[in-house]
Amino acid sequence: EPEVTQTPSHQVTQMGQEVILRCVPISNHLYFYWYRQILGQKVEFLVSFYNNEISEKSEIFDDQFSVERPDGSNFTLKIRSTKLEDSAMYFCASSGTASNQPQHFGDGTRLSIL
Amino acid sequence: AQRVTQPEKLLSVFKGAPVELKCNYSYSGSPELFWYVQYSRQRLQLLLRHISRESIKGFTADLNKGETSFHLKKPFAQEEDSAMYYCAPSMDSNYQLIWGAGTKLIIKP
Repeated sequence: EPEVTQTPSHQVTQMGQEVILRCVPISNHLYFYWYRQILGQKVEFLVSFYNNEISEKSEIFDDQFSVERPDGSNFTLKIRSTKLEDSAMYFCASSGTASNQPQHFGDGTRLSIL
Repeated sequence: AQRVTQPEKLLSVFKGAPVELKCNYSYSGSPELFWYVQYSRQRLQLLLRHISRESIKGFTADLNKGETSFHLKKPFAQEEDSAMYYCAPSMDSNYQLIWGAGTKLIIKP
């Protein structure tokens, strides 16, 4: 069964640095998402992406964040000038040909900001 | 405001006992509703969605529009049901998933 894959599984970065989290969605999916989960807290929606543009974003997704689909397979989340509070698990998800279809999640990237 | 409430952060029941994980939402209209599960060291995965009206791993969830609830139920809990469960109704045109805080279910032997 096809899966969403995320790399790296764990990223450790100095505060103030930029990080790029990578995701490979399921190949025929059209809708892509990023979520984060701060340790001990609930999963929070960050952004959704469709047709090569952001379709919706949450209040968390400010100018520090950006997403990109640089080629036909990858979907990246860039975090600039990282802060300690950016430490979290970041989940990528994709869904198929309609936005109301179930989302398939990757294993997540654990981001640790030092 | 769109809000999902899972009142129980932790629920512990004995194997074989019935399980009910509560979820309430505050939306107008007709939301799309999902339950996602995260087993230990595994990724988040869809457990069930209300429009399919199916039973997955013995779990069912009925949408109660009057009570604005979507509680997850199973008549006889099994040890392998231990996991984090998230209620995720969605309402807006993009079907963004607005997550509940999650309930950790522990099934005691």
